[in-house]
Amino acid sequence: GAVVSQHPSWVICKSGTSVKIECRSLDFQATTMFWYRQFPKQSLMLMATSNEGSKATYEQGVEKDKFLINHASLTLSTLTVTSAHPEDSSFYICSATGTGNRDEQFFGPGTRLTVL
Amino acid sequence: DQQVKQNSPSLSVQEGRISILNCDYTNSMFDYFLWYKKYPAEGPTFLISISSIKDKNEDGRFTVFLNKSAKHLSLHIVPSQPGDSAVYFCAASDAGNNRKLIWGLGTSLAVNP
Repeated sequence: GAVVSQHPSWVICKSGTSVKIECRSLDFQATTMFWYRQFPKQSLMLMATSNEGSKATYEQGVEKDKFLINHASLTLSTLTVTSAHPEDSSFYICSATGTGNRDEQFFGPGTRLTVL
Repeated sequence: DQQVKQNSPSLSVQEGRISILNCDYTNSMFDYFLWYKKYPAEGPTFLISISSIKDKNEDGRFTVFLNKSAKHLSLHIVPSQPGDSAVYFCAASDAGNNRKLIWGLGTSLAVNP
């Protein structure tokens, strides 16, 4: 099956620093990648949708200057949390769709971000 | 406004019995529905999907039923196994929305040995 990896799997940082999370599709070309965050005992919240080579589309209420998304290639998308604050602590998950069944998303294992 | 609703936050089933997880939706434009399984601190794993042109899709122990008139779908797991214990998310999409998935809040399934 299609494999999506994320790096790092967990990160702890100080308030005010920036953190970059990578999402890679390992065995397929991801035309579209999605970034989600999940708070404890809540559903997945879509943050943004990115298509390779174009600007990401952010969901309402998500600050695009705070959550920078780059989808520079068909196998890599990055999410940078700039000037992180404790309220940004969450579980961030990426997913990707290929050129096959584009409704089926393949998820990465997630990244646990803790901002002190 | 929750467009995809999973009204049961949790479900407990005995091993070997059937697990039935329910999902309701409000948007009649949804034409594709998916079920994902999620363990704590991991990303969701795709389980099974169904297109709105079908009313049933089966894959091994997993069957999804779709009732479009009732805007309701259900996931049946038969027989249930302890390894099935996880949170199950229902998601829906429509062709005109950039493949964006709309998620339910999930149902936590516990299969007891």
